[in-house]
Amino acid sequence: DIQMTQSPPSLSASVGDRVSITCRASQTISTHLNWYQQKPGKPPQVLIYGASTLQSGAPSRFSGSGSGTDFTLTIRSLQAEDFATYYCQQSYKIPRTFGQGTRVEI
Amino acid sequence: EVQVVESGGGLVQPGGSLRLSCAASGFTFDDYAMNWVRQAPGKGLEWVSGISWNSGTKGYADSVKGRFTISRDNAKNSLHLQMNNLKPEDTALYYCAKDTGTYYDSTLASYFFDSWGQGTLVTVSS
Repeated sequence: DIQMTQSPPSLSASVGDRVSITCRASQTISTHLNWYQQKPGKPPQVLIYGASTLQSGAPSRFSGSGSGTDFTLTIRSLQAEDFATYYCQQSYKIPRTFGQGTRVEI
Repeated sequence: EVQVVESGGGLVQPGGSLRLSCAASGFTFDDYAMNWVRQAPGKGLEWVSGISWNSGTKGYADSVKGRFTISRDNAKNSLHLQMNNLKPEDTALYYCAKDTGTYYDSTLASYFFDSWGQGTLVTVSS
């Protein structure tokens, strides 16, 4: 199975900060990388798919980049509603494995 | 509005069985693959099982292979997960997730899960 490693596991930030989360795959996955946001008590919601394509309805302050094995999710100006846990997921090979998550805290 | 709603969770003893269901609405169910994803309390996400649009291909995580069986009824817009020989480590919130692809195992593009239910809690404990 492809292992997905996110860093950092958690981070503290303030409203207005620029935040970056990285995700590394154990083997090349081209751009088959998705990012999800999960708020407490809620199911995950996709933000970015194909490494850099913003899902319809997701705020434009979210962006994704990378290819091969290294990927980044960037939040341009952190808003109060962005405090959540973020997961990357590869869709290059079955099983579609997730990273362990990055918790963004105030 | 696309909606998926899970049911069937509960408390079961180790070695027991449960059958989860997912009712889908708001989209053409038999155009899409479907999946089960679980989340243990306080932990991350784990893909459990997937099934293609016509049930032609199915897949399972190694952790559940041989114990869980996924199925779907396109006439009733429903997805199911039969879970046998349950273990304490199966305790989790189980989500039904709609795929953006037709085949759960297609890797031609970066398919993803675009609609999730609220989940149904499975607790395996004596």
